[in-house]
Amino acid sequence: GEDVEQSLFLSVREGDSSVINCTYTDSSSTYLYWYKQEPGAGLQLLTYIFSNMDMKQDQRLTVLLNKKDKHLSLRIADTQTGDSAIYFCAERRSSGTYKYIFGTGTRLKVLA
Amino acid sequence: DTAVSQTPKYLVTQMGNDKSIKCEQNLGHDTMYWYKQDSKKFLKIMFSYNNKELIINETVPNRFSPKSPDKAHLNLHINSLELGDSAVYFCASSHQGTSGYYEQYFGPGTRLTVT
Repeated sequence: GEDVEQSLFLSVREGDSSVINCTYTDSSSTYLYWYKQEPGAGLQLLTYIFSNMDMKQDQRLTVLLNKKDKHLSLRIADTQTGDSAIYFCAERRSSGTYKYIFGTGTRLKVLA
Repeated sequence: DTAVSQTPKYLVTQMGNDKSIKCEQNLGHDTMYWYKQDSKKFLKIMFSYNNKELIINETVPNRFSPKSPDKAHLNLHINSLELGDSAVYFCASSHQGTSGYYEQYFGPGTRLTVT
């Protein structure tokens, strides 16, 4: 099917690392993304990874890609209360209409 | 600097009415989108235009009609509004960046409430 799966909730303590997981559907998707949505706001592009990469690091963010299992993860180091938001993974299909398919979203709650 | 803007931010209307939501992007992108986010935060693509041409038209009631007068604008008109149309509607635009990857940017959303 078209569903990109994520666990719905994650709760971590401030200062700990957060790991948000995503299972996508199309092994031919060439670009995979992580977005952050704060309450009442639009989606903010955080980072992306190209399908020929295994890992990408961007300051506190680390993206891991396991193409064989179609598994994507986002690790946030030293999680802060400002990181509390909903995180969406997305894949850009590389065939047909090249549309973006978004995951179900993971609500991250950071406890002080 | 507003990249992708939408108006209005909030829209409250009664069932059966017709309403429009406007979107503008000043990023010079070729492709624009409408997404619907329901109360559970699920995000679904509705339409996409590339250079004013409709390229994605998902299974959406034909009460919804997008219009792209030019590359920088994509409007959404909804006829005969129903309770189930209540949601947040996001406009987005995308292009292929200089590094070769495709990036997509979202507007702030329009919260539509149908009573």
